[in-house]
Amino acid sequence: GDSVTQMEGPVTLSEEAFLTINCTYTATGYPSLFWYVQYPGEGLQLLLKATKADDKGSNKGFEATYRKETTSFHLEKGSVQVSDSAVYFCALSGGSYIPTFGRGTSLIVHP
Amino acid sequence: GAGVSQSPSNKVTEKGKDVELRCDPISGHTALYWYRQSLGQGLEFLIYFQGNSAPDKSGLPSDRFSAERTGGSVSTLTIQRTQQEDSAVYLCASSPAGGDYNEQFFGPGTRLTVL
Repeated sequence: GDSVTQMEGPVTLSEEAFLTINCTYTATGYPSLFWYVQYPGEGLQLLLKATKADDKGSNKGFEATYRKETTSFHLEKGSVQVSDSAVYFCALSGGSYIPTFGRGTSLIVHP
Repeated sequence: GAGVSQSPSNKVTEKGKDVELRCDPISGHTALYWYRQSLGQGLEFLIYFQGNSAPDKSGLPSDRFSAERTGGSVSTLTIQRTQQEDSAVYLCASSPAGGDYNEQFFGPGTRLTVL
């Protein structure tokens, strides 16, 4: 079945550092890929998405590129802020009405 | 516009009692999902509704868990004879339609604590 693997956290960075959170997936066919963010005490909200190979999703300075050859969708940001501290979930949706989520990666940004 | 709302936001109950958790999806969203998020864990899928029917109940952990959706809108997740391992945050999400391209819109969750 489908699966999503994310790097384990927490990821701890200083403000203005470069961020990468790795995400790889296993799926049949051509799924859509998503990054969701969960701020403390809140539900998940969509950060960005990509629906086909080589698409780049971007939002709020975050980017991720759909890489079919490496089955990856790594999340990057050039300069993180304290307000980016949250849990980030990689997810895929393909061939089923039930999306598959990764376990989440906690990001902590220090001033 | 209004997002997905859930109630109550927090629920503390005693072991063995029944609880009902409510989800109000975004108006017009036909797909509705329930997930469970335990401390430090990812999302555990529980059940999916398309309209009022539930094509996939595969994630419900036991027969103590049930859910219904009425009028293609509000959904209720019921846990009977609660156990301590049921303690978690229960998240509801809705989507314009299930499928590959549609994002899910999540509510803030209900934090359930079973003493």
